Amino acid sequence: QQQVKQSPQSLIVQKGGIPIINCAYENTAFDYFPWYQQFPGKGPALLIAIRPDVSEKKEGRFTISFNKSAKQFSLHIMDSQPGDSATYFCAASETGANNLFFGTGTRLTVIP
Amino acid sequence: EAGVAQSPRYKIIEKRQSVAFWCNPISGHATLYWYQQILGQGPKLLIQFQNNGVVDDSQLPKDRFSAERLKGVDSTLKIQPAKLEDSAVYLCASSLDWSQNSPLHFGNGTRLTVT
Repeated sequence: QQQVKQSPQSLIVQKGGIPIINCAYENTAFDYFPWYQQFPGKGPALLIAIRPDVSEKKEGRFTISFNKSAKQFSLHIMDSQPGDSATYFCAASETGANNLFFGTGTRLTVIP
Repeated sequence: EAGVAQSPRYKIIEKRQSVAFWCNPISGHATLYWYQQILGQGPKLLIQFQNNGVVDDSQLPKDRFSAERLKGVDSTLKIQPAKLEDSAVYLCASSLDWSQNSPLHFGNGTRLTVT
């Protein structure tokens, strides 16, 4: 059973475009929602994270939007660059619980 | 700050053979995780240690997988005997305090191919 559902599986945008990656969850106990970025041959690295007490969080060109009632959250990348080409994973966990549940990943390609 | 170190980077074995992976976490990180990442999927937790004690191994196939963190620092994950479906990247991660959602820092993983 997939705890966190992520879409799309892959995404191609032109440089300067705004790719949007969506995730949904069922477990209402989840209260921590990070996004990880993974380049080929590397481990995932934390990009940005949000808690349900805010509806949006922005760090540089990366923004998380959170909709608690719909149990959905999304990642927006403003002014995307070829260097943003990577696989992005959303994840969710419950504070104090052991497991961080990852989505299936979105492979983003930014064309110059 | 040195990152999470893993070795080897790649390993190719035949089914039914055994294999071991090593991980050295970031200094001072009490929590250590082993994740399995099958191609095209997100990482899946296999086992979590807090110092040298196991916090969660509910997803570890204990008939063939074992892991230890004897001195509360580095860790070894072993598979014996390996199956074809064990082909994956094995990622080690560490964090300061899992109970407060401290960020996970991942190593670059070991890519295992079972033929």
